[in-house]
Amino acid sequence: DTEVTQTPKHLVMGMTNKKSLKCEQHMGHRAMYWYKQKAKKPPELMFVYSYEKLSINESVPSRFSPECPNSSLLNLHLHALQPEDSALYLCASSPGDRSNQPQHFGDGTRLSIL
Amino acid sequence: AQSVAQPEDQVNVAEGNPLTVKCTYSVSGNPYLFWYVQYPNRGLQFLLKYITGDNLVKGSYGFEAEFNKSQTSFHLKKPSALVSDSALYFCAVRDDTGFQKLVFGTGTRLLVSP
Repeated sequence: DTEVTQTPKHLVMGMTNKKSLKCEQHMGHRAMYWYKQKAKKPPELMFVYSYEKLSINESVPSRFSPECPNSSLLNLHLHALQPEDSALYLCASSPGDRSNQPQHFGDGTRLSIL
Repeated sequence: AQSVAQPEDQVNVAEGNPLTVKCTYSVSGNPYLFWYVQYPNRGLQFLLKYITGDNLVKGSYGFEAEFNKSQTSFHLKKPSALVSDSALYFCAVRDDTGFQKLVFGTGTRLLVSP
């Protein structure tokens, strides 16, 4: 069982829709991450939150908007996405953004853009 | 910049035989290395890590990895493969910015035949 929970598991949306992906962890971790993964490719880092503040944005287009309401929750707000944004979106957490402890991943949200 | 290379797209092994999945790295400073496994429609699961200490690292599910500084390698091994080990394996190195930003290899698909 994964300790990082992502909802929904699947999402199909049109290019004009607005939707949100949610991620939750209760391990007391203070760093949370969003990754994008295309089929048979490694995950690509999008954002890092450390102590609820955005610490890394990997030049992600503004149609992706992250939010960290508290230390346990991480959201990714989606608006006006493109077909190439279809991918598996993974959330991860770790004790801190500078620790050597491994990141714990959720099972992801599979996003399809029509 | 930190990088890892996984030279094999796919590794085939018969059940019961030993398996090796190769990874080489390039870092400035001390390497912080990780292995993750991904099963279909799942997130990444942490297997093991090397930070300092013994060159032979033992991890989850009977996996181990050998850190070799002179060859800049961190190969994943298991003495006896199981069909259930069939999955996608990623080697990763922590970025040298000090943040826990992981740089992933391209992944190796392991197929274990009965």
